[in-house]
Amino acid sequence: QVQLVESGGGVVQPGGSLRLSCAASGFTFSSYGMHWVRQAPGKGLEWVAFIRYDGSNKYYADSVKGRFTISRDNSKNTLYLQMNSLRAEDTAVYYCAKDQFSGVILPFDYWGQGTLVTVSS
Amino acid sequence: SYVLTQPPSVSVAPGQTARITCGGNNIGSKSVHWYQQKPGQAPVLVVYDDSDRPSGIPERFSGSNSGNTATLTISRVEAGDEADYYCQVWDSSSDHPEVFGTGTKVTVL
Repeated sequence: QVQLVESGGGVVQPGGSLRLSCAASGFTFSSYGMHWVRQAPGKGLEWVAFIRYDGSNKYYADSVKGRFTISRDNSKNTLYLQMNSLRAEDTAVYYCAKDQFSGVILPFDYWGQGTLVTVSS
Repeated sequence: SYVLTQPPSVSVAPGQTARITCGGNNIGSKSVHWYQQKPGQAPVLVVYDDSDRPSGIPERFSGSNSGNTATLTISRVEAGDEADYYCQVWDSSSDHPEVFGTGTKVTVL
């Protein structure tokens, strides 16, 4: 069965950095686009970033462009999100999510359980 | 950037029909996907490509999309349908093309 397990969340000071990981299993990871989505406490869903199945194409939300970097290691079946220059408004649960069809962006058919990032001094 | 507008809340009695709208400029030309999210849980896909249902999703969930409005319809509403619902599109003309709607809280009376 498909599993996505995020890790790496925690408490970080404003201006700090954090790297999130998403370990994937149960499907051919190298064939699917992957995304990061976040949800601030009590707020709606906000898409953060996308990476194509082979890493050749990436998109970012304006709110994180230039500060966050999405990457993947298909040999390790792992998705990453490097977060730099963190701000209080980046505080959220971060989910990784898988595209439903190989080669087609959206929808997400599987989500991880999420990892909480808190940016606070 | 592309904006998707949903009503903040919809209330419905058990057994009745709930309709959740998602408004966007010419949204009828895009594929719309819908997610259900219950408190403390990750979202679940309930409708994709306007009107298709993933396996395991009850037929009570249906979708439509035309003009400037997409709609998720939940027929014969049950208490377990109480959740937040989000629409989603991919706007390929944008540098930040993935968009979620603002979300709708469905309350079963």
